[in-house]
Amino acid sequence: GAGVSQSPSNKVTEKGKDVELRCDPISGHTALYWYRQSLGQGLEFLIYFQGNSAPDKSGLPSDRFSAERTGGSVSTLTIQRTQQEDSAVYLCASSPPYWGADGTQYFGPGTRLTVL
Amino acid sequence: KNEVEQSPQNLTAQEGEFITINCSYSVGISALHWLQQHPGGGIVSLFMLSSGKKKHGRLIATINIQEKHSSLHITASHPRDSAVYICAPHNTDKLIFGTGTRLQVFP
Repeated sequence: GAGVSQSPSNKVTEKGKDVELRCDPISGHTALYWYRQSLGQGLEFLIYFQGNSAPDKSGLPSDRFSAERTGGSVSTLTIQRTQQEDSAVYLCASSPPYWGADGTQYFGPGTRLTVL
Repeated sequence: KNEVEQSPQNLTAQEGEFITINCSYSVGISALHWLQQHPGGGIVSLFMLSSGKKKHGRLIATINIQEKHSSLHITASHPRDSAVYICAPHNTDKLIFGTGTRLQVFP
């Protein structure tokens, strides 16, 4: 079946503009994660959605970052007033509902964001 | 000190060699993932384990929860194994990522 998809694959924006990044998880996966990977850096957790529970936003680096997940499926990560340090690859992952059975996270291809 | 330490950071090998990548972590975890990131950037989950050992083809992952240590082994390495391998302990519902081990296997 289809994997996790993200759009756009690349986004170039000017400093100060807002951007929206989209993630379509695998159908039936209740957990959805956003991560980012800055150039030459490791992966960093941003936010986690699990079903209808309140999201874990503890990884969001500032209040310019927000995310929502509509209908328990598609998620949008929004970055307001982008800064150059926001340039990174933003990765989305989803995992099935039965954590104990299979905690594997399935990663999307990422969105490469460049802030000029 | 980072919560997750991987060693080595970089590793080169000749095709056929046995590879070991180590991961030590300081936080309490429920499970640990090994991820593979290819040069194009795509990430694949190789293993999730919470105890003992798992094997998939030429890949073997072990974990010792008491010692807070995990290893990823690659037997009979091949150039297509060249990638960054990332250890990611699972703390509550979040992954905490190691900085990765860059492996290059030469023919």
